[in-house]
Amino acid sequence: EPEVTQTPSHQVTQMGQEVILRCVPISNHLYFYWYRQILGQKVEFLVSFYNNEISEKSEIFDDQFSVERPDGSNFTLKIRSTKLEDSAMYFCASSPDRNSYEQYFGPGTRLTVT
Amino acid sequence: DAKTTQPPSMDCAEGRAANLPCNHSTISGNEYVYWYRQIHSQGPQYIIHGLKNNETNEMASLIITEDRKSSTLILPHATLRDTAVYYCIVRVASRNDMRFGAGTRLTVKP
Repeated sequence: EPEVTQTPSHQVTQMGQEVILRCVPISNHLYFYWYRQILGQKVEFLVSFYNNEISEKSEIFDDQFSVERPDGSNFTLKIRSTKLEDSAMYFCASSPDRNSYEQYFGPGTRLTVT
Repeated sequence: DAKTTQPPSMDCAEGRAANLPCNHSTISGNEYVYWYRQIHSQGPQYIIHGLKNNETNEMASLIITEDRKSSTLILPHATLRDTAVYYCIVRVASRNDMRFGAGTRLTVKP
């Protein structure tokens, strides 16, 4: 069964450094998403992406964050200057189309900012 | 999106039905009810969704009250692998995002 993959599984970075989290969505899906989950807290929506542009974003997704689909398979989340509070599990998800009831989530990347 | 209310935790005996309630008293006519679960910090997993009719799939059943102000997710024969946090989400189909709440932590006990 096709699945969303994410790399790396765990990323450690120093405060102020740039980090790029990578995702490979399911191949025929058109909508892509990033969510994050701070340890012990709820899953929070960050951004959705369609047709090479941001479709929706939350108030969390400020200028420090950017997303890109650099080629036909990868979908990336960049954090320009990481802060301690960016430490979280970051989940990528994809869905076949806008009105799809199911979003398929990847296993997540645990980001630790020291 | 309508706000949902779920109990923070529930226990269920292995092999028995797990009935997880969700209140969404402010739901509007075009909002669907979705259920996802998250097993031990893995990515959330879709379970089932519905608008007003009861729904069943290979994982679960969804019972929505006639006034649509509440729903119940039923896992008919819970196993230890069903131990997870279960999220009830209400949203219009045209939105991109899933807004997760705190969910219900279901513990299936032997």
